[in-house]
Amino acid sequence: DTGVSQNPRHKITKRGQNVTFRCDPISEHNRLYWYRQTLGQGPEFLTYFQNEAQLEKSRLLSDRFSAERPKGSFSTLEIQRTEQGDSAMYLCASSSSDRHEQYFGPGTRLTVT
Amino acid sequence: DQQVKQNSPSLSVQEGRISILNCDYTNSMFDYFLWYKKYPAEGPTFLISISSIKDKNEDGRFTVFLNKSAKHLSLHIVPSQPGDSAVYFCAASPGFQKLVFGTGTRLLVSP
Repeated sequence: DTGVSQNPRHKITKRGQNVTFRCDPISEHNRLYWYRQTLGQGPEFLTYFQNEAQLEKSRLLSDRFSAERPKGSFSTLEIQRTEQGDSAMYLCASSSSDRHEQYFGPGTRLTVT
Repeated sequence: DQQVKQNSPSLSVQEGRISILNCDYTNSMFDYFLWYKKYPAEGPTFLISISSIKDKNEDGRFTVFLNKSAKHLSLHIVPSQPGDSAVYFCAASPGFQKLVFGTGTRLLVSP
């Protein structure tokens, strides 16, 4: 299966610690998106890349959040100095730049205690 | 500002009957609409989509209808099956960019 993969699937961390998540997109997709989903809500857009260029960042993405896609393949999302409000499911999706359909990974569930 | 709204948090339907899930949007810049299905502990799975230049798209048991003048779309599932029980999200896109999601409708199909 060559779908979108995310690691880790679950992360429990203490408030104030840094965490990093990884996303591996579908190999032929040049776009990669990060979303965050909290209970009872739909996924909310955080940022996206086309190849290695970060093209848009949501205002939800505070300065404690940083995302990279250094070689245009996998991406990392880092959260510094985590807060309890960062607890959520972090979803990664990928697509081709000429298609609207985005394909999601299984997500990383972050719990900040 | 909730640009994509799913006003029914839940829907219960009997197996074999039609399920109709509704979605409203406010942003006229949206030109493509998608439906995703989500099971617990999994990411959303793409189901069906429709361009704003069309008013209907069908794929097997799933049909999406778009009413641009009313800024409304709906997903019809016929016949409904117990395996269709999941949370369904409506999403909209302003061009080939990010998706804006609704809050979801939980569908329960009982045998």
